[in-house]
Formats: sequence, structure tokens, C-alpha cells
Amino acid sequence: GEDVEQSLFLSVREGDSSVINCTYTDSSSTYLYWYKQEPGAGLQLLTYIFSNMDMKQDQRLTVLLNKKDKHLSLRIADTQTGDSAIYFCAELGQAGTALIFGKGTTLSVSS
Amino acid sequence: DAEITQSPRHKIIETGRQVTLACHQTWNHNNMFWYRQDLGHGLRLIHYSYGVHDTNKGEVSDGYSVSRSNTEDLPLTLESAASSQTSVYFCATLRAHGETQYFGPGTRLLVL
Repeated sequence: GEDVEQSLFLSVREGDSSVINCTYTDSSSTYLYWYKQEPGAGLQLLTYIFSNMDMKQDQRLTVLLNKKDKHLSLRIADTQTGDSAIYFCAELGQAGTALIFGKGTTLSVSS
Repeated sequence: DAEITQSPRHKIIETGRQVTLACHQTWNHNNMFWYRQDLGHGLRLIHYSYGVHDTNKGEVSDGYSVSRSNTEDLPLTLESAASSQTSVYFCATLRAHGETQYFGPGTRLLVL
């Protein structure tokens, strides 16, 4: 079945780079997403990547996709305390509309 | 601006009671979803709808029902609430296949 795995926790110092990793099982996934959830809030789309791309950069965010290994990563450059949140990796399910989410990675940024 | 809203934002109910969580969107999106978020499980799909009068079961649909009488609303009903349904519930919409899902702010439900 479809499954998305993420490490649960990451701690970094302000100014360092953060790398959040994700693996997925459905090789037919066409889109992969990164969402951010701040405490007490809903999910905010950070970025997404289409499966025919290897990399996508958007300001401080870099998404890398290794389709062969079904591995997705999100790199946040110059991490700030405001980046502290839970980050969810998600793949587009076989139905083509519903998302399959990982359990989320809690990013803690210390000053 | 177009948006997606959920109500109530917080709710406490007794076990066995019925409760309906509202989701309303003004984007005119056909596709709407309900997820629940629990510690250690991430977000799991409860029900979804591809359009008016269409509803489908997701991964964790037992104990929940939805109806879609118009494009804007997808209410989620717990017919007889159980403590296991204590969770944060998120509604989401999607315009078309492959596009981005947008999430509402969530409803925190506590079943005592």
C-alpha cells in the first residue's frame, strides 16, 4: 500500500541548514508536497515538486527528489527560529486527489 | 478573497452525542476532504467528495459520515461520538487533479 515515512524530530541551531528527509512507496506518485504546520494552526503549503523534476529551489527552500530511491528531502537554508514547526511530507495518492501524509517532522531551532 | 473556513474551532462533547463539524469554501472547488490529525499518526483521510452528491470513504471512515448537497460545504458528522474520536479535524479543498490542496484552520474536538 501507499506509505510515507519521515524522521520525527530534528534540532538545529539558528543560521544552520536543516534537512528533512522523507521516503515514499508509490512509484507512480506524480506530485510530492511539503507542508508546514505551526503550533495550533492548520497546514500551509510550502512547496511541491513534480515527479519528473530532480530539484526545485524557492528562496531558502530546496527540494531534492530521488525517484529511483523514492526519497524526498527539504533543505532550509539559514534556518530561523520562525522555522520551528512540524513539516509534513505528502504524496498524491493513487486516486489522484487525496494526499498520503507522513507523520511529520518536528523542527526545533535554537538561538 | 476566496477561503476555506471550519466551525466550530473548538468543541467539547459527551460520549454518545452527535456532532457535526462544518467546512465551507468559497473557491468553488469540486474536491473536498476531511482529515484527522493525531499524535504519532500524522493526517489520515476520513472521507472525501469529488462533487455534489458524491462521497467516498477514506482510510479511517468508521464512525463518520459526510454529505455534499452543494459545492461549498462538506459537513462531517459523528453520529455517536467516541473518546477515540478526540482529535484535530482538518478540511481541505482541491480544484483539480494534481493541483495543490488547501487546508482549513482545523477543529479541535474533545470527546469526554
